[in-house]
Amino acid sequence: AQSVTQLDSQVPVFEEAPVELRCNYSSSVSVYLFWYVQYPNQGLQLLLKYLSGSTLVESINGFEAEFNKSQTSFHLRKPSVHISDTAEYFCAVLNAGGTSYGKLTFGQGTILTVHP
Amino acid sequence: EPEVTQTPSHQVTQMGQEVILRCVPISNHLYFYWYRQILGQKVEFLVSFYNNEISEKSEIFDDQFSVERPDGSNFTLKIRSTKLEDSAMYFCASSGNRLNQPQHFGDGTRLSIL
Repeated sequence: AQSVTQLDSQVPVFEEAPVELRCNYSSSVSVYLFWYVQYPNQGLQLLLKYLSGSTLVESINGFEAEFNKSQTSFHLRKPSVHISDTAEYFCAVLNAGGTSYGKLTFGQGTILTVHP
Repeated sequence: EPEVTQTPSHQVTQMGQEVILRCVPISNHLYFYWYRQILGQKVEFLVSFYNNEISEKSEIFDDQFSVERPDGSNFTLKIRSTKLEDSAMYFCASSGNRLNQPQHFGDGTRLSIL
């Protein structure tokens, strides 16, 4: 079984400040890792993913996440946030071993609030 | 960019009634999923569907739940006899031709059971 823990339920931050949203996972098999973002009254949108290769992955809007296998973490960072980044962020894992047919396991979400 | 669309956006139903939630996945995707999120809780996997059959289902997905792909475009979730605890946001998702391809989610249907 897999589990995902997002250590912060809410993160308030001022505009242009850096931010880190933490995600740790537990799994007995290899995993793929994802961050999704949910804006109010919308669905989950894929922000970035780690499947293989470079452990540092980036999104088009300035977010990045680093896969750390030894620490079983996939923290999300942005060096300078905007008001428009205010949303809820979900970390998720997918079993890479092929025994789980696409089941994503989600963390409980982190609400990022960017203040002017 | 292609989207997953879900209808209705909000469904209010009396307890014990049947409800059908509808989804149109992205047209060339082969894998389909339903998730739900009870208010204040995690997004939970319900079921995955591939090649016209269920691939995997969670403990939540009991005999009251069923899924169907009645034609080439729709993917439905039916709850036969709704309970108060079925009140949640239900998300449909689809992904391409490999399991590690990212899942694309719809905006969800908010189901309220009275």
